Amino acid sequence: DTGVSQNPRHKITKRGQNVTFRCDPISEHNRLYWYRQTLGQGPEFLTYFQNEAQLEKSRLLSDRFSAERPKGSFSTLEIQRTEQGDSAMYLCASSSQPGQGNTIYFGEGSWLTVV
Amino acid sequence: RKEVEQDPGPFNVPEGATVAFNCTYSNSASQSFFWYRQDCRKEPKLLMSVYSSGNEDGRFTAQLNRASQYISLLIRDSKLSDSATYLCVVNMLRILTGGGNKLTFGTGTQLKVEL
Repeated sequence: DTGVSQNPRHKITKRGQNVTFRCDPISEHNRLYWYRQTLGQGPEFLTYFQNEAQLEKSRLLSDRFSAERPKGSFSTLEIQRTEQGDSAMYLCASSSQPGQGNTIYFGEGSWLTVV
Repeated sequence: RKEVEQDPGPFNVPEGATVAFNCTYSNSASQSFFWYRQDCRKEPKLLMSVYSSGNEDGRFTAQLNRASQYISLLIRDSKLSDSATYLCVVNMLRILTGGGNKLTFGTGTQLKVEL
């Protein structure tokens, strides 16, 4: 499977615990995005990487959230001291350079439930 | 005001019906436009891009009116398999931050096609 891969697909955690999600983008894609989607809403932009550089972060990304893409390939999204409001689907997406299609492809998402 | 606004529905239509979804966006600097389809608890998938000249893909027709900041999607001869949430998506090309794509999603319009 050469699509965007995310894991774990589902995570249930107790409030206050830390969680980490991993995303493996399509191999030739240099751009990687994280979105968050709650029930009844569309996905909301969280952050964006071009290669290993994190170029933009949404105001939604509080101090408890951190994303990395250390070698410009896979990325991790860590949430510290989880709160119930963090329960959502976390979507990773990737795209190539403009002129090479540039379509954004989403992974299947990582569902987080904070209890 | 939300950046992208859609009627959440649900739209319940009989099989074979024609159904139209509308969407408005607030940022006149938006550069490209899309409709994504999302099945329950799945990731969004690109349905089609939207161009000012209008574009058609089989039973699906999309239209963009830049002056009114209005996007539409028409589905003809609807099938049971068309039941899903349709997300209106607007793209701002982030020139200052490496040219990445910041997709802004509407909340989605739910379509239920019934026998």
